[in-house]
Amino acid sequence: ELKVEQNPLFLSMQEGKNYTIYCNYSTTSDRLYWYRQDPGKSLESLFVLLSNGAVKQEGRLMASLDTKARLSTLHITAAVHDLSATYFCAVAPNTNAGKSTFGDGTTLTVKP
Amino acid sequence: ETGVTQSPTHLIKTRGQQVTLRCSSQSGHNTVSWYQQALGQGPQFIFQYYREEENGRGNFPPRFSGLQFPNYSSELNVNALELDDSALYLCASSLDQGAGGYTFGSGTRLTVV
Repeated sequence: ELKVEQNPLFLSMQEGKNYTIYCNYSTTSDRLYWYRQDPGKSLESLFVLLSNGAVKQEGRLMASLDTKARLSTLHITAAVHDLSATYFCAVAPNTNAGKSTFGDGTTLTVKP
Repeated sequence: ETGVTQSPTHLIKTRGQQVTLRCSSQSGHNTVSWYQQALGQGPQFIFQYYREEENGRGNFPPRFSGLQFPNYSSELNVNALELDDSALYLCASSLDQGAGGYTFGSGTRLTVV
């Protein structure tokens, strides 16, 4: 059974600081997804990582994938309040992203 | 191009009742996945429909059933509701079981009392 673990589960950080969220998964997969969810809202796709060594960046967020270590990271640079949300990583067992297993999420709070 | 729409947005049901949730997939999408998201947890895969056929199921009992129509809209039915079924139910659509990602709807918040 595929398991996906994120840490930390809760993260409170000051504006302007950097931090990294970690996502470990238990079985071989080349496909990993990062999503953002605001309170009471649906999921917004952030990054799709499709191969070992993949790195993607959007604004202050950068995601990477190491399939050999079964690890993905989401790095936050110079955090701003607008980044406050819950971030999920998800792993698909094959090419079908619609059957993904999600982690429990990291709730990020950025304080001024 | 419209996104994924779900109805209703909120619903309160009594234990033992049955419920039907609806999802209109994004225009052109023929694949729909349903997820259950309990409070404070990540979404859990319930099942997927592709071209009107069930295309995989997660670890949910048979009282969770679904349907996909010729226009690729979809329904999730839950019988004999239990308190633990209280959750946000998310629908997501894609084209041809997409590997690149799915578009999620805003969800239906189901409360079972």
